[in-house]
Amino acid sequence: EPEVTQTPSHQVTQMGQEVILRCVPISNHLYFYWYRQILGQKVEFLVSFYNNEISEKSEIFDDQFSVERPDGSNFTLKIRSTKLEDSAMYFCASSRQGLRSYNEQFFGPGTRLTVL
Amino acid sequence: EDQVTQSPEALRLQEGESSSLNCSYTVSGLRGLFWYRQDPGKGPEFLFTLYSAGEEKEKERLKATLTKKESFLHITAPKPEDSATYLCAVRRDYGQNFVFGPGTRLSVLP
Repeated sequence: EPEVTQTPSHQVTQMGQEVILRCVPISNHLYFYWYRQILGQKVEFLVSFYNNEISEKSEIFDDQFSVERPDGSNFTLKIRSTKLEDSAMYFCASSRQGLRSYNEQFFGPGTRLTVL
Repeated sequence: EDQVTQSPEALRLQEGESSSLNCSYTVSGLRGLFWYRQDPGKGPEFLFTLYSAGEEKEKERLKATLTKKESFLHITAPKPEDSATYLCAVRRDYGQNFVFGPGTRLSVLP
């Protein structure tokens, strides 16, 4: 069964450093998403991506964040200068369609980001 | 403001003791309500999509129902392996992203 994969599973970084989290969405899916979950809190939406551009983003997704689909399979989230409060689990998700459908989103296993 | 709440926050059941989890929502234009299961340190695992009031979906010991204001996840004769956090999420008419509730942490004791 196809699934979303994410690397690395755990990333430790120093405050102020740049990190790139990587995801491989399900191959026939067209919409891609990043969510984050701070320990003990809700899953929160960050950004959605379709047709090589951001289609929607939350207030959390400020100028420190960027997303890219560098090739036909990978989808990345970059945090330019990490802060302590960026420590969280980051989940990538994908769905077959987006705006005019009810399609469920399938989530990857997450990357645990720890900022020291 | 769109809101999703879930109750109870935590639930402990004995194996075989059936119960229900609640998800209440206030969104402008519901375009799907989704139930996920999340194990500690893992990503949400898709369970059900419900589209309209009155709809029901079943999978093994789980059954999800939807009304205009809330959804229930009924667990019949649960087993210890059903222990997890159950998340409810809604998708709004004008957006693609999901709004998640805080989850119900279910523990099923043998």
